[in-house]
Amino acid sequence: NAGVTQTPKFQVLKTGQSMTLQCAQDMNHEYMSWYRQDPGMGLRLIHYSVGAGITDQGEVPNGYNVSRSTTEDFPLRLLSAAPSQTSVYFCASSFLRPGTVGNTIYFGEGSWLTVV
Amino acid sequence: AQSVTQLDSQVPVFEEAPVELRCNYSSSVSVYLFWYVQYPNQGLQLLLKYLSGSTLVESINGFEAEFNKSQTSFHLRKPSVHISDTAEYFCAVSEASSASKIIFGSGTRLSIRP
Repeated sequence: NAGVTQTPKFQVLKTGQSMTLQCAQDMNHEYMSWYRQDPGMGLRLIHYSVGAGITDQGEVPNGYNVSRSTTEDFPLRLLSAAPSQTSVYFCASSFLRPGTVGNTIYFGEGSWLTVV
Repeated sequence: AQSVTQLDSQVPVFEEAPVELRCNYSSSVSVYLFWYVQYPNQGLQLLLKYLSGSTLVESINGFEAEFNKSQTSFHLRKPSVHISDTAEYFCAVSEASSASKIIFGSGTRLSIRP
């Protein structure tokens, strides 16, 4: 059981380049989210999805796009990378709404992105 | 909207000493509270959660947290830490009625000295 799989694990981009961080889960979870983790700021929610075809913005959505064409996949796209997007990105999924009684959130192992 | 404040960015303690990691939250509605732990180069794992009922919740590895509604706090404690507890700890809150997203605090890095 792979859980939540993120690729790539490490990436260096030049300013202005575009790229997609892939996230896949094999647990048939409806809820998926993308967070970025920066020193001293914890995890901040970028975008989230409550099911295939449905996405919504989190705390820091600017500069990122998402789509949810299937239950399994939730890619995060950087359209024109900026140095401020240098961060560690985590994808997460859960069967129920993240804060629901008895729910468990599963996190991927993270993607380290550097924009130069 | 909810928010979470972790006042201590780093907490150094000696092995076998007690520790308290502080967490305060802000919300106008009922909330669920969580503590997550992140070991080096790994994703986050749920440590414990408060949903309702007893205000003292415990984890399987000796941590406990107490929900204090009047002080809007959810501090994490352990009476005797071990080297293996070295990690970053995140307090988090979600709105009980919708629970569609979780808001994380800025994290507290716990470093254990032998």
